Amino acid sequence: SYVLTQPPSVSVAPAQTARIPCGGPNIGSKPVHWYQQKPGQAPVLVVYDDGVRPSGIPERFSGSNSGNTATLTISRVEAGDEADYYCQVWDSSRDQNYVFVFGTGTKVTVL
Amino acid sequence: QLQLQESGPGLVKPSETLSLTCTVSGGSISSPSYYWGWIRQPPGKGLEWIGSIDYRGDTYYNPTLKSRLTISVDKSKNQVSLKLDSVTAADTAVYYCARSGPGIRGATTSWGQGTLVTVSS
Repeated sequence: SYVLTQPPSVSVAPAQTARIPCGGPNIGSKPVHWYQQKPGQAPVLVVYDDGVRPSGIPERFSGSNSGNTATLTISRVEAGDEADYYCQVWDSSRDQNYVFVFGTGTKVTVL
Repeated sequence: QLQLQESGPGLVKPSETLSLTCTVSGGSISSPSYYWGWIRQPPGKGLEWIGSIDYRGDTYYNPTLKSRLTISVDKSKNQVSLKLDSVTAADTAVYYCARSGPGIRGATTSWGQGTLVTVSS
């Protein structure tokens, strides 16, 4: 099965840049989506198709994807960015069944 | 604006069947190219995809749950349903209904608020 690996935690000072990696075999060949989840709330999409921001998401959120690593970058971090972040892809197996895979999740702490 | 609302029992006994319904408003579950799915999150843990169904009724299941899982749609009621058989304490989680797409690789753009299901005698 396809596994997406993220660091459990990332700490960053306000106004600095947070980078959250998401590792998977040849992930660069798949569209990657990123979700933000705050305590007690449903996840919210912050980046889709590697690096596209949905309407209403600040420009501070950006993404990239190449090789075996996709990265979510949060620039000029604010206290309100403190949350769990998950990457996600669809993977297809040899029998053409599609499965939806989430990363292990990264807790971003703003110092 | 699309809204998804999960409903169902908050407490299920071990070995019984967990049944949840997602009622969709502000959009049709028959919309081409969209996928209606269930995602769960055990307390204090990460997100786990359960399965999805598309507008044609084709299903996609998490291989680890496939033998216990049924996802279906009721187009007349604009609802998506989840049934998970033979539950154990490990199935205790917040269950989310969600829509992804367009296309099989599309992002999940709409989520329900989630409903906590506890498996306990």
